[in-house]
Amino acid sequence: QKEVEQNSGPLSVPEGAIASLNCTYSDRGSQSFFWYRQYSGKSPELIMFIYSNGDKEDGRFTAQLNKASQYVSLLIRDSQPSDSATYLCAPSTGSYIPTFGRGTSLIVHP
Amino acid sequence: DAMVIQNPRYQVTQFGKPVTLSCSQTLNHNVMYWYQQKSSQAPKLLFHYYDKDFNNEADTPDNFQSRRPNTSFCFLDIRSPGLGDAAMYLCATSTGAERGYTFGSGTRLTVV
Repeated sequence: QKEVEQNSGPLSVPEGAIASLNCTYSDRGSQSFFWYRQYSGKSPELIMFIYSNGDKEDGRFTAQLNKASQYVSLLIRDSQPSDSATYLCAPSTGSYIPTFGRGTSLIVHP
Repeated sequence: DAMVIQNPRYQVTQFGKPVTLSCSQTLNHNVMYWYQQKSSQAPKLLFHYYDKDFNNEADTPDNFQSRRPNTSFCFLDIRSPGLGDAAMYLCATSTGAERGYTFGSGTRLTVV
């Protein structure tokens, strides 16, 4: 059974700090890794995807992937109150249908 | 703007009364998905269409059905809603490739 583990949080960080969100997955066949942001009562929004081991940077966001350790993370630099949301990790296999984690709640306080 | 639209945003239905949720897309994506998400839980895939090919998840209750009359539209039918079916229902589309999903705004279903 495919499992995606995320600490449900909440993770609380001060404004301007780096928020580090972590995710482990069980399916070694996972090839693509997606991070979605979901504001309360809203639908998920794709913010990052990564396929290769290492880091991928997009603005204030950096995704880090380690397939050997079955671990993917999302770093948010210079965190803003508007980053407060739940972040869903979603690895997928070659079928490109992801398995979602339950998400980590991030709170950025002023 | 190209997008995924779900109607209605909020739906209240009576216990046991059939209800239909709709989803339309202007992205011309060939894959459409229906997810159920309950509070503080991960989205759970109910089914998906790859073009006209219907794929049902093994644990999707028979109470849930879906129709995709054309590329742009997809419907979720709940034949006899129970209290446990109250949730956010999310429609998503993709090209089936490595680019992730585009979600609609969701329909929050309340069963009374």
